[in-house]
Amino acid sequence: NAGVIQTPRHKVTGKGQEATLWCEPISGHSAVFWYRQTIVQGLEFLTYFRNQAPIDDSGMPKERFSAQMPNQSHSTLKIQSTQPQDSAVYLCASSLGGGENTLYFGAGTRLSVL
Amino acid sequence: AQSVTQPDARVTVSEGASLQLRCKYSYSGTPYLFWYVQYPRQGLQLLLKYYSGDPVVQGVNGFEAEFIKSNSSFHLRKASVHWSDSAVYFCAVSARTNTGKLTFGDGTVLTVKP
Repeated sequence: NAGVIQTPRHKVTGKGQEATLWCEPISGHSAVFWYRQTIVQGLEFLTYFRNQAPIDDSGMPKERFSAQMPNQSHSTLKIQSTQPQDSAVYLCASSLGGGENTLYFGAGTRLSVL
Repeated sequence: AQSVTQPDARVTVSEGASLQLRCKYSYSGTPYLFWYVQYPRQGLQLLLKYYSGDPVVQGVNGFEAEFIKSNSSFHLRKASVHWSDSAVYFCAVSARTNTGKLTFGDGTVLTVKP
């Protein structure tokens, strides 16, 4: 079991460019979560999917951010027209679901917007 | 909505000393409770969790935590710390639903002096 895999580990973009972050959950896990981590805001919930369906995106910024889960083996977080304030570590986590709420996290993608 | 407070942003202890990291939560009912640890440039790793039953739960590497409902607390303890325990520790709370969405505290940076 390789755990949750996130790619790339580091991404540098210029202001206004698009960034796509990838997450491969643990095989057999039905729920996938995205969190954002910054020094100032700490760990912020962004969105989550259960059985590939979007369930709660209450933490997602209303503009420029979108997440998808096209199949059970990966999810993407896309940020359009990146801004310096988007710089953060983006963490993906998965869980078994069905009341088993333990999250297993990937190592994260550090996004730097110049 | 639930929330978590970790009142100590930084804690420094000497190797071999005992440790307590404080966590208080806000939730109307009995929640699921977690402690995670984050080492530099890594994702979060589960230390222990409380779902029900014995309020004292054992985790990895000699950590334990005690759920005290009357005090809305879930403090983390270790009898004797090692320099390798230096990391950031996060307390988290989840509602007793199928959601699986965790709310995290701001974290406590633990430094163990040799």
